[in-house]
Amino acid sequence: KAGVTQTPRYLIKTRGQQVTLSCSPISGHRSVSWYQQTPGQGLQFLFEYFSETQRNKGNFPGRFSGRQFSNSRSEMNVSTLELGDSALYLCASSWVYNEQFFGPGTRLTVL
Amino acid sequence: AQKVTQAQTEISVVEKEDVTLDCVYETRDTTYYLFWYKQPPSGELVFLIRRNSFDEQNEISGRYSWNFQKSTSSFNFTITASQVVDSAVYFCALGNRDDKIIFGKGTRLHILP
Repeated sequence: KAGVTQTPRYLIKTRGQQVTLSCSPISGHRSVSWYQQTPGQGLQFLFEYFSETQRNKGNFPGRFSGRQFSNSRSEMNVSTLELGDSALYLCASSWVYNEQFFGPGTRLTVL
Repeated sequence: AQKVTQAQTEISVVEKEDVTLDCVYETRDTTYYLFWYKQPPSGELVFLIRRNSFDEQNEISGRYSWNFQKSTSSFNFTITASQVVDSAVYFCALGNRDDKIIFGKGTRLHILP
């Protein structure tokens, strides 16, 4: 089975721009979660989608949003980028409760 | 509130030594899940183990073993006869039935040849 894929792998943007990251879960997985990883804050939960509905949300500002499509693929969007948004963004998919499998991540650099 | 504490920020051991990574958690849920993930330099988180709150049996998988003790809210991870390939950041995590996982800050493990 193919693993979780994320595109793009690397991204460089400037402050004020917006960005969209994509995640394709493992086939058959209906839950997709997003995490932000930074050296200072570690791994922080952004949100989780299940069957196209946001089921859980972390403590991030409204500039961070996401959605899930009928094929379980998910996108996350960050608007009005700030320097502090530079991070590794990880996507994880799961079938059963909490057995999450992670993708390789998208490394976002904001200049 | 849920919380995971990995007190060891960084550990260095010489190859073939045993090493234990500590994890202490806090939760009010009676049903919860504990995890360990490995993050090698490539960045991808690799799932190692999941334990649910009703199963306190210790587990061994090759050189890896896990000790779950509800009485002390700990879920420690031991690598026996460490190898250089074990060098990575290891994360302990806590989840509930809603698929929301809280991660510890991670322990960076260096295995020196």
